[in-house]
Amino acid sequence: DIVMTQSPATLSVSPGERVTLSCRASQTFSSNLAWYQQKPGQTPRLLIYGASTRATGFPARFSGSGSGTEFTLTISSLQSEDFAVYYCQQYNNWPWTFGQGTKVEIK
Amino acid sequence: QITLKESGPTLVRPTQTLTLTCTFSGFSLSTSGVSVGWIRQPPGKALEWLGLIYWDDDKRYSPSLKSRLTITKDTSKNQVVLTMTNMDPVDTATYFCTHRIPPDYWGQGSLVTVSS
Repeated sequence: DIVMTQSPATLSVSPGERVTLSCRASQTFSSNLAWYQQKPGQTPRLLIYGASTRATGFPARFSGSGSGTEFTLTISSLQSEDFAVYYCQQYNNWPWTFGQGTKVEIK
Repeated sequence: QITLKESGPTLVRPTQTLTLTCTFSGFSLSTSGVSVGWIRQPPGKALEWLGLIYWDDDKRYSPSLKSRLTITKDTSKNQVVLTMTNMDPVDTATYFCTHRIPPDYWGQGSLVTVSS
């Protein structure tokens, strides 16, 4: 199985700050990487797919990048509604696997 | 508009079999390329893929759970059924059914507690 490791586990951030979340894979692959946003008590929402394509409904302040084993989710200017847990997931090799998540909390 | 909804028991006894049904609308599981998946999330923990079924009835199961899982579809009813045998308290989780890879639509989730 491909192990997905996210860092940091928790990120304390002030609104307006730039945020960078990391996702590292134990095996290399090209771009079959997705990011999800999950707010407390809510269902995860697809945020990024294909490593860098933003899903419908998410603003341009969210961007994804990377390939190989290193992937990044960047939020250019954190808004109050962005505080959530973010998961990465590879869908290159079955079984698809998620990272453990990064919680973005208010500083 | 695509919607999915999980239904099934909220409480399962250890060693029993869990059967969850995903009823969906807005797409057909007979359309090429379409899949319905199952993902679970223990309380306060991360997401875990369980398996999925494709439009052509191809199936994938998590290797660690493969012996316990069965996924079937009823295209005429727009339903996918997940069966998990020999339930254990560690299987307590919210179970989601999802549309496509990567999942762009999710059901609301069904919390299943395994307890005697």
